[in-house]
Amino acid sequence: GQSLEQPSEVTAVEGAIVQINCTYQTSGFYGLSWYQQHDGGAPTFLSYNALDGLEETGRFSSFLSRSDSYGYLLLQELQMKDSASYFCAKETTDSWGKFQFGAGTQVVVTP
Amino acid sequence: EAQVTQNPRYLITVTGKKLTVTCSQNMNHEYMSWYRQDPGLGLRQIYYSMNVEVTDKGDVPEGYKVSRKEKRNFPLILESPSPNQTSLYFCASSGTSGRETQYFGPGTRLLVL
Repeated sequence: GQSLEQPSEVTAVEGAIVQINCTYQTSGFYGLSWYQQHDGGAPTFLSYNALDGLEETGRFSSFLSRSDSYGYLLLQELQMKDSASYFCAKETTDSWGKFQFGAGTQVVVTP
Repeated sequence: EAQVTQNPRYLITVTGKKLTVTCSQNMNHEYMSWYRQDPGLGLRQIYYSMNVEVTDKGDVPEGYKVSRKEKRNFPLILESPSPNQTSLYFCASSGTSGRETQYFGPGTRLLVL
């Protein structure tokens, strides 16, 4: 099964804020990454949290809490072009370079 | 232009007919990886390579082979494809471990009949 859990779908209106949670089971990992994928396209990198806390990149922010075994991606001032799938991913410490991804969250932005 | 290229982009084949999907990057990246994407399962790592001549299994390596003879190329080989290998395949590369940004190729959609 998936070692990272994400909600399957989130719907919000333009201009709103959406938080996508990612919970994981294992405690040992280097950091949490986030990727965006539009329909028919390739995943593109959004953010990486190596340490606990908030990382801000424009309208997108990502947060990690190792003690709570979860992270989240925050999408602010939602735009129609933000309609896409979002994946969290982590590298396992038992095998450097080995990655696991969540199943993805489909974000639907409505007018 | 910095990019990861994959070929072919689309492929229909029959069970048991060996095929190779090529992947090439022009960013001098050490790390390369193959993923497959199936509905509801996200991306699952097949194989990865930390550098030339160094490859390791991901979570779903069965039925696949890879090689890393040159830094820029990382082909994925299906020796005897089966219908359960019908999927969307992505190659990715990254500067060192993949921990930082992974750059993905455009994807190869494979149908095995």
